Amino acid sequence: AQSVTQPDIHITVSEGASLELRCNYSYGATPYLFWYVQSPGQGLQLLLKYFSGDTLVQGIKGFEAEFKRSQSSFNLRKPSVHWSDAAEYFCAVGEYGNKLVFGAGTILRVKS
Amino acid sequence: DTEVTQTPKHLVMGMTNKKSLKCEQHMGHRAMYWYKQKAKKPPELMFVYSYEKLSINESVPSRFSPECPNSSLLNLHLHALQPEDSALYLCASSPPTSGIHEQYFGPGTRLTVT
Repeated sequence: AQSVTQPDIHITVSEGASLELRCNYSYGATPYLFWYVQSPGQGLQLLLKYFSGDTLVQGIKGFEAEFKRSQSSFNLRKPSVHWSDAAEYFCAVGEYGNKLVFGAGTILRVKS
Repeated sequence: DTEVTQTPKHLVMGMTNKKSLKCEQHMGHRAMYWYKQKAKKPPELMFVYSYEKLSINESVPSRFSPECPNSSLLNLHLHALQPEDSALYLCASSPPTSGIHEQYFGPGTRLTVT
């Protein structure tokens, strides 16, 4: 079975600083990878996805992620964090049957 | 338009009540999903509908009964729930089910069982 690990439960960054959220997956073939963001009490919003091709993927809200097969990683990055980015971020891998396997999530706090 | 709508936003029900959650999408998606999310946890898949037919039931108790009356609408009927069923219930949809696709989520229904 596939699995997704987000090693950081909480991350705090200063507004304007750069951000990297880590995600590692376990899957034998080429994975279908996603990053979602969830504000408190809200649904999940898709930030970006990777299916194949260019390993650097651009998403919405200035986010990008890089797929590294050798490290089984799909880390999310943003060069300059805004206070409105404070939320919980979930990495997920797609399974056959169009199921999503989510990581445990990383809560991002932004300090001014 | 990538919008999935859910009603109601909040629901409080007693353990003997019967209520329903509603989800709607008009993106032409043919797969729809129900998830349950407890606080500080990722969403857990409950049901998947593909072309209006139930394709996955993740061993969900029978007090949760899904229904997909047409390709745009998904309901979750609730009966005799327990307090531990209190959670955020999320609906999602995705394009045609061959292959793997991104899922689009609604804002959720916050359910409290008293």
